[in-house]
Amino acid sequence: QLQLQESGPGLVKPSETLSLTCTVSGGSVTSSSYYWGWIRQPPGKGLEWIGSVYDSGSAYYNPSLKSRVTISVDTSKDQFSLKLSSVTAADTAVYYCARLELHYSDYRYYYYGLDVWGQGATVTVSS
Amino acid sequence: DIQMTQSPSSVSASVGDRVTITCRASQGISNWLAWYQQKPGKAPKFLIYTASSLQSGVPSRFSGSGSGTDFTLTISSLQPEDFATYYCQQTYSFPLTFGGGTKVEIK
Repeated sequence: QLQLQESGPGLVKPSETLSLTCTVSGGSVTSSSYYWGWIRQPPGKGLEWIGSVYDSGSAYYNPSLKSRVTISVDTSKDQFSLKLSSVTAADTAVYYCARLELHYSDYRYYYYGLDVWGQGATVTVSS
Repeated sequence: DIQMTQSPSSVSASVGDRVTITCRASQGISNWLAWYQQKPGKAPKFLIYTASSLQSGVPSRFSGSGSGTDFTLTISSLQPEDFATYYCQQTYSFPLTFGGGTKVEIK
């Protein structure tokens, strides 16, 4: 059974870079059928998609965060990572990693949804 | 970006009630819509994909419908474990976007 687990510092100082890693177990990141991505949820608020990466390293990002975000994949370790630079208090959130299933049709990709999630990592931005 | 608007933002209901949540996309997304359930302190759970297909293991009291811009999630007979927040998400194109959520509360 596929499982995802987030890891990384729970406290980050303002202006620094937030770094999280998601480890995939019970499966592999090297699959042509999936993207691997990050979603966050500020306290008491809704869900925000941050971005997703393919096993080739090709990534898509939320335009609202694109200038600060890098998502990468390490196929040798079955891990993918999130880096968010120049953080502020507004980046305080629970960060989830999740798997996104692809569907190819009519010469383009569509997506079924985020079917497997990690348990979430709470990250607080504070000095 | 495609904007997703959910309504209502909250609903109070009793066990056994039928509950309907609506989701509207700012442009046509065919049937590329997913629904999630989230309980406090937990990760979201994937319920429905392509607007009406139930994910494996999801009870049949959950159903989804719609196409184009207007979608609904229906819980036919609310059970105690269904009290949670529900989110829609368009899966038509990047950036993936979520609705604001609907909290289903105990009446």
